[in-house]
Amino acid sequence: AQSVAQPEDQVNVAEGNPLTVKCTYSVSGNPYLFWYVQYPNRGLQFLLKYITGDNLVKGSYGFEAEFNKSQTSFHLKKPSALVSDSALYFCAVRDGDSGTYKYIFGTGTRLKVLA
Amino acid sequence: EAQVTQNPRYLITVTGKKLTVTCSQNMNHEYMSWYRQDPGLGLRQIYYSMNVEVTDKGDVPEGYKVSRKEKRNFPLILESPSPNQTSLYFCASSLLQGSYNSPLHFGNGTRLTVT
Repeated sequence: AQSVAQPEDQVNVAEGNPLTVKCTYSVSGNPYLFWYVQYPNRGLQFLLKYITGDNLVKGSYGFEAEFNKSQTSFHLKKPSALVSDSALYFCAVRDGDSGTYKYIFGTGTRLKVLA
Repeated sequence: EAQVTQNPRYLITVTGKKLTVTCSQNMNHEYMSWYRQDPGLGLRQIYYSMNVEVTDKGDVPEGYKVSRKEKRNFPLILESPSPNQTSLYFCASSLLQGSYNSPLHFGNGTRLTVT
């Protein structure tokens, strides 16, 4: 069965510092991994994805994520946080070999960037 | 403008009164899906559809129905709503490209309260 874990409900970071939002996953086949961001009263917006290829994936707004197959992780990172990055972040996985298009989302991590 | 449109944004109803939440996309996407977002549980997939007349259950389909008679529309139907269906609902769509699919585009959500 597929699953996604985001172990931190909230991450606080000072503006200008690097940030990391953690995600680990479990799928039986090839993982398709995604990060989405949600601002208040809005739907989720796509940040980046890993399907295949380079383990370091670059996405929107200066975010990147590193796929680590041995640790089954896909942590979201940014070298220098902005106050405007404060939002709710979701990791999601789909089993690329399953033949279905079921997505599993994590429980979300609230990022607070302090000025 | 490419978008996923959900209506209504807010809905308060009483137990047992049938309701429909509409979802429409203007991007000619094959894939559409419904999610509910609850605190501490993240997003959970209710139903999804890979094309017209093709629908399948997600992780929490009980108490919900969907239909896909046209490519652009994917309404969510609650035949007999109950208070435990009080939640924030999101519709999403994406292209299908072989076994891949493009990132999900989300609507702005429908906040449903069942009393």
